[in-house]
Amino acid sequence: NAGVTQTPKFQVLKTGQSMTLQCAQDMNHNSMYWYRQDPGMGLRLIYYSASEGTTDKGEVPNGYNVSRLNKREFSLRLESAAPSQTSVYFCASSEDVRSYEQYFGPGTRLTVT
Amino acid sequence: QQQVKQSPQSLIVQKGGISIINCAYENTAFDYFPWYQQFPGKGPALLIAIRPDVSEKKEGRFTISFNKSAKQFSLHIMDSQPGDSATYFCAARNDYKLSFGAGTTVTVRA
Repeated sequence: NAGVTQTPKFQVLKTGQSMTLQCAQDMNHNSMYWYRQDPGMGLRLIYYSASEGTTDKGEVPNGYNVSRLNKREFSLRLESAAPSQTSVYFCASSEDVRSYEQYFGPGTRLTVT
Repeated sequence: QQQVKQSPQSLIVQKGGISIINCAYENTAFDYFPWYQQFPGKGPALLIAIRPDVSEKKEGRFTISFNKSAKQFSLHIMDSQPGDSATYFCAARNDYKLSFGAGTTVTVRA
């Protein structure tokens, strides 16, 4: 099992460009999450999907959109990237929203210039 | 504004020593308190967790102490080893969502 995979690993964007971060899990989990990690801020929840077909905002959703493509895949889109979105992005999954353990992917390091 | 405050930001400990990381919260609706361990270049991974009706939980060299009245909890790493060098995040769950502390980078010197 690969667990949670994310692509790309690294990305550099210019201000105003758009991109989609991809995430997939092979653990048959119902719930998936997108976080951003910034120095001194810990991890902050951007969006989550409790189950296939549902998405909800987290703590810092502005500037992002998500799509739960199917049970396995959950993508994060930046429509018009800003320097403030420079961060490391992590996707995670859990058996369902009541599960206490979330499994994280390896992360995508995004720089917006 | 972070809902879970974590300290210290970093610490250095000698091999065999004890590492202690502290976290505090205000929201009494939190119902679960996990700790995650993150190695450089990797995603966080669940290390140990505790419910608020338990005062202490131990797994190997890792122990969580929980003080519900003070709204504080801490992670103790006993007999610290170089392989424990990592960043540790405390977290708290409310409404099925996790709020993370800012993280503590632990360096264990051989």
